[in-house]
Amino acid sequence: NAGVTQTPKFRVLKTGQSMTLLCAQDMNHEYMYWYRQDPGMGLRLIHYSVGEGTTAKGEVPDGYNVSRLKKQNFLLGLESAAPSQTSVYFCASSEIGQTRGKNIQYFGAGTRLSVL
Amino acid sequence: RKEVEQDPGPFNVPEGATVAFNCTYSNSASQSFFWYRQDCRKEPKLLMSVYSSGNEDGRFTAQLNRASQYISLLIRDSKLSDSATYLCVVNMLGAGSYQLTFGKGTKLSVIP
Repeated sequence: NAGVTQTPKFRVLKTGQSMTLLCAQDMNHEYMYWYRQDPGMGLRLIHYSVGEGTTAKGEVPDGYNVSRLKKQNFLLGLESAAPSQTSVYFCASSEIGQTRGKNIQYFGAGTRLSVL
Repeated sequence: RKEVEQDPGPFNVPEGATVAFNCTYSNSASQSFFWYRQDCRKEPKLLMSVYSSGNEDGRFTAQLNRASQYISLLIRDSKLSDSATYLCVVNMLGAGSYQLTFGKGTKLSVIP
């Protein structure tokens, strides 16, 4: 029962360094999402994907890039990390549709990132 | 106005108490509604979906009032294990895709 798996779980970066966060899901979901969660701010959508090969911007996309080369994987990249990107990052996936039970998002365990 | 608003709490209640959380949303085009639960330093997990007719799952009851754009969660006979942050979540179709908008959460502490 893997569900949504995020790697790494923790990371410390220096300002200006780059890194990629990996999200993998084994539920054959079409939709995948990257969020960040900061104290007092709630969950904010960074980027999302509605299917393999597609990506779109969310609420706070600046400073991040994403790729969805395979349906099961969604990568979040930070090209030049800044202290403002210190946060907890969550990946999620969902089915699509209007019927009951659809549009429920399942989350990974999160990546705690500190940028010094 | 925030899209999804919740009382941040914290709500400190004794075991066995009944507690209610409220949530309002601003987009009348919102299509589906959920309560998620998030434990400290963990990921959000679905607690229950919220249907127009209201729905119950054991000690938890969710209500939706579309006219007032209001969602509620009632927890009866609170347990210590109910201590968590409860997130009100609204799903809207926008720009050709479904996106969830999260409230900031209401923190519940159940005290022995």
